[in-house]
Amino acid sequence: DVKVTQSSRYLVKRTGEKVFLECVQDMDHENMFWYRQDPGLGLRLIYFSYDVKMKEKGDIPEGYSVSREKKERFSLILESASTNQTSMYLCASSSQYKNQPQHFGDGTRLSIL
Amino acid sequence: LAKTTQPISMDSYEGQEVNITCSHNNIATNDYITWYQQFPSQGPRFIIQGYKTKVTNEVASLFIPADRKSSTLSLPRVSLSDTAVYYCLVGINGSSNTGKLIFGQGTTLQVKP
Repeated sequence: DVKVTQSSRYLVKRTGEKVFLECVQDMDHENMFWYRQDPGLGLRLIYFSYDVKMKEKGDIPEGYSVSREKKERFSLILESASTNQTSMYLCASSSQYKNQPQHFGDGTRLSIL
Repeated sequence: LAKTTQPISMDSYEGQEVNITCSHNNIATNDYITWYQQFPSQGPRFIIQGYKTKVTNEVASLFIPADRKSSTLSLPRVSLSDTAVYYCLVGINGSSNTGKLIFGQGTTLQVKP
C-alpha cells in the first residue's frame, strides 16, 4: 500500500513565523502535491511537483513556496505565516503513468495565531 | 478545465443502495472520472475511476453515459461506516497537467441506522 506521511497532525504557529510542512511518500512516485482544505471550499491545489527540483503553481500559490530536493519528500513553506493560512493541509502523491490516482496523507491541521 | 457539480448532501439508511450523480458538462476527450471518499480528520481515499460505460470494483460501481457529461457513483448496501464526503473529479493524471485536477465541494453522505 502507498503510504504518504505528513510530519505533524496538528501545528500551532504565530503570525509572521516561517512554517515548514513536510511530506514523505514511500512508493517512488514522480508527482507530489500540496492542497489546503477549508469548510465550504473543498480542496484547493497550492503547488505540485512532477520531478525533483521541479514545481508548478496550483490555483492558490500566493503566500506559499515549495521545495523538492529528493524524490520522496515535498515540503510546503509559509514564508511569513498569516491568520488566513489557518487550514487543513493535505499532501498527495501519484505515479507519472496516465490516470493513476492520487494518494493522500492524513493532513496537518495548522493554526496561525 | 472541466468543473463538476454534485449534490451538497444526501441521506440514506443502512442497507440501501446509494447513487450520487456528478455533472461535468465540459469534460474533455482525454479526461477520466475519479471518485474519492473522505472521512473526518483523514485525507481523501481513492474509490473508483472510469472513462466510459460501467466500472465495478469491490467497493462501488461507476456508471458513465455515452455523452460522458455526467457520472453516477453507486454504493451497494451502505453501512454507517460509509458516512463520509464523496468527491467527483475529472481530469488527466500523469503529466505536467497533473496538478489541474479539481476537487469540488463534494457530497456529504449521512447513513442512518
